[in-house]
Amino acid sequence: EVQLVESGGGLVQPGRSLRLSCAASGFTFDDYAMHWVRQAPGKGLEWVSGISWNSGSIGYADSVKGRFTISRDNAKNSLYLQMNSLRAEDTALYYCAKDRSGWYNFDYWGQGTLVTVSS
Amino acid sequence: EIVLTQSPATLSLSPGERATLSCRASQSVSSYLAWYQQKPGQAPRLLIYDASNRATGIPARFSGSGSGTDFTLTISSLEPEDFAVYYCQQRSNWPPEFTFGPGTKVDIK
Repeated sequence: EVQLVESGGGLVQPGRSLRLSCAASGFTFDDYAMHWVRQAPGKGLEWVSGISWNSGSIGYADSVKGRFTISRDNAKNSLYLQMNSLRAEDTALYYCAKDRSGWYNFDYWGQGTLVTVSS
Repeated sequence: EIVLTQSPATLSLSPGERATLSCRASQSVSSYLAWYQQKPGQAPRLLIYDASNRATGIPARFSGSGSGTDFTLTISSLEPEDFAVYYCQQRSNWPPEFTFGPGTKVDIK
């Protein structure tokens, strides 16, 4: 059974940093690209970032480019999101999602970790 | 950036009725469109990928169609557990740009 468990969320002041983690199990982690997708309270879904199986290809949404960094550790079956210079508009539930195939869609999702940016 | 528009915003139906949800892209996405279901307090679940392929474990009452700019998700006969919000999603370009539609809420009439 595929499991994705996010952690690292919390309340943080604007301008500060936070690092999210996602622990994966139930599939061969280093065979797949992985993504972060977020959802602001009461709003829709927004793709944040994705990383290929070997970290050779990485993409970011324009809204986080230059502030967020995605990474992975295949030996630990883990995905990360380093979030710097956080803004109020980054407040959201952050989901870790497994790429189904070829960077087109997401077939498994974690339950999310909540990030609240507020003074 | 490709913009996805979903209609209607809300669909009020009764169990057993047929639901037809629309997703329109601002430019062609070929067949690279997916549909997700999200229930309150839950993560999204992939229903349909590549416009018409059901994901693993998805019941046959869910079907997808379309290509280019116009896509449809059909639920042939609504079950009580189908009342939820449905999002369409596409990926375009490289480096990738993934976008989601604003969602259609299917609620109980």
